[in-house]
Amino acid sequence: AQSVTQPDIHITVSEGASLELRCNYSYGATPYLFWYVQSPGQGLQLLLKYFSGDTLVQGIKGFEAEFKRSQSSFNLRKPSVHWSDAAEYFCAVGPFAGSARQLTFGSGTQLTVLP
Amino acid sequence: ETGVTQTPRHLVMGMTNKKSLKCEQHLGHNAMYWYKQSAKKPLELMFVYSLEERVENNSVPSRFSPECPNSSHLFLHLHTLQPEDSALYLCASSQRTANTEAFFGQGTRLTVV
Repeated sequence: AQSVTQPDIHITVSEGASLELRCNYSYGATPYLFWYVQSPGQGLQLLLKYFSGDTLVQGIKGFEAEFKRSQSSFNLRKPSVHWSDAAEYFCAVGPFAGSARQLTFGSGTQLTVLP
Repeated sequence: ETGVTQTPRHLVMGMTNKKSLKCEQHLGHNAMYWYKQSAKKPLELMFVYSLEERVENNSVPSRFSPECPNSSHLFLHLHTLQPEDSALYLCASSQRTANTEAFFGQGTRLTVV
């Protein structure tokens, strides 16, 4: 069974500081990996995805993530955080094929940005 | 705007009411989903419709009843809900059920009183 762990429930950073949100996954085959962001009262917006190829993927809003198979990780990074980045971030793993038929989400990391 | 529209955005209902949530996708996708998002819990997949075949999570109570009349529309019919059913209900769609990302609507905030 696939699973996703986001070890940090809540992270606080100052505006302009760098950011790294951690994600570890468990999946028995080649994973499809995603980061989503959710602003209060809104649905989830896809930030970026990894299917194959270059392990460093670029997303929207200046985010990037690096897939490390040896560590089963897919951490999200941003070099300089903006106040508008305050939101909840979800890592997800999806099935490459077969009957899993669902994305499995982590519990989320709430990001607070200090002025 | 993600191409997935949910109505209503907010709903308050009594435990004896019957109501329906609606989802419409304009992306030409072949799979649609209902997720439940409760406070401090991971997103919970409730139902998947793929090319009009339903796949359900067996832990979802029967007071939730999905309907997918075509590949663009998905409903969640609600009846005799409990206060613990209060949550954000998210609809999503994807091109396929595997190898692809899901696009989410903005959700319906449901409060059961």
